[in-house]
Amino acid sequence: AQKVTQAQTEISVVEKEDVTLDCVYETRDTTYYLFWYKQPPSGELVFLIRRNSFDEQNEISGRYSWNFQKSTSSFNFTITASQVVDSAVYFCALSEARGGFKTIFGAGTRLFVKA
Amino acid sequence: DGGITQSPKYLFRKEGQNVTLSCEQNLNHDAMYWYRQDPGQGLRLIYYSQIVNDFQKGDIAEGYSVSREKKESFPLTVTSAQKNPTAFYLCASRGSATLQETQYFGPGTRLLVL
Repeated sequence: AQKVTQAQTEISVVEKEDVTLDCVYETRDTTYYLFWYKQPPSGELVFLIRRNSFDEQNEISGRYSWNFQKSTSSFNFTITASQVVDSAVYFCALSEARGGFKTIFGAGTRLFVKA
Repeated sequence: DGGITQSPKYLFRKEGQNVTLSCEQNLNHDAMYWYRQDPGQGLRLIYYSQIVNDFQKGDIAEGYSVSREKKESFPLTVTSAQKNPTAFYLCASRGSATLQETQYFGPGTRLLVL
């Protein structure tokens, strides 16, 4: 069964638009961690945020915000006033105790921000 | 500067040839990982190592081999048994193989078959 689902394969927006990237996860553990990474065209994955399963507070960092809802098993990522430099592939990931604490990645969402 | 380095950036393999991708980290991390990324797809785990001199197969280990003789190094060999090796390979590390630890990634190696 797929553990992390990013249903949006590609999203295209115009600069300054807000955009939300969806992430739905599946786990039987009560303690787990969720992550978002950004992969720019250069290829290296850049860590953006980590959230544990007991902390449902929304987080805001500049133009980035994250909405974690355990009731719907979702950890969505919103970029406000998008910029061309936000163009990248974004990955959501889950770390759970089963299977040796491995990190499971979603398939990624490719975001195009047009000027 | 602390970080993860991967070399080479691009690697070309001839049929029947084994090639080795290098991954080095100076973050003093215990755990290291190798992922394969195909165009338009997510990351698939090849091998991982939670501690020196120990490693486990991931989801797609066939045709690959690794070693972990030093804490800072986790080289990946793509053997001739791997029939479709063209992909982007990412190495990652984290402090320990525990739940809360974040994985940090190297810049990747793009492997192409001639």
